[in-house]
Amino acid sequence: GQQVMQIPQYQHVQEGEDFTTYCNSSTTLSNIQWYKQRPGGHPVFLIQLVKSGEVKKQKRLTFQFGEAKKNSSLHITATQTTDVGTYFCASRGGSYIPTFGRGTSLIVHP
Amino acid sequence: EPEVTQTPSHQVTQMGQEVILRCVPISNHLYFYWYRQILGQKVEFLVSFYNNEISEKSEIFDDQFSVERPDGSNFTLKIRSTKLEDSAMYFCASSRGRGIGSYEQYFGPGTRLTVT
Repeated sequence: GQQVMQIPQYQHVQEGEDFTTYCNSSTTLSNIQWYKQRPGGHPVFLIQLVKSGEVKKQKRLTFQFGEAKKNSSLHITATQTTDVGTYFCASRGGSYIPTFGRGTSLIVHP
Repeated sequence: EPEVTQTPSHQVTQMGQEVILRCVPISNHLYFYWYRQILGQKVEFLVSFYNNEISEKSEIFDDQFSVERPDGSNFTLKIRSTKLEDSAMYFCASSRGRGIGSYEQYFGPGTRLTVT
């Protein structure tokens, strides 16, 4: 099935620093979704990207979809302690079976 | 705001026993999903369900698993004979559709299944 590789697995930052997580695939993705899971919580949908080269912003979060639709990134500017959690990318590829990346756990130190 | 609900929040069972996990999807959603997440690992797709039948299923969803929509609101996952490795958090999710504009999935709070 569709495989998406996500790096890094963990990221420690000081509050106020920026954070980026990357999602890569060896095959073209039809779309990419990003989810956030707080510790002990459930995945919460953040955004979906569909178009090649698409960039979307939500306040301090910037999401990008690569030109070749094989990679995506989530960038958080000036992290806050409320940003703590695991960020997952997910994609369906050519089928309707969604595949999640392993996630990047963001730890923000005050 | 509508939300997906799941019961119970925690289920402890003995190996070999049957368990039924329950979910109430968002009322106007048409597609329903079950995922599992072993502690500290990624979310894994189990099955999707539409129009009272399975749409897709993963390799994990073998003969010991089954899903059902017994009435107009509930969506259940049955594990026939639980194994220790079935211990995980099980999430139910629903979406309005499967098309690009309607695929946003809403997850429930999960049921933590512990098999002893």
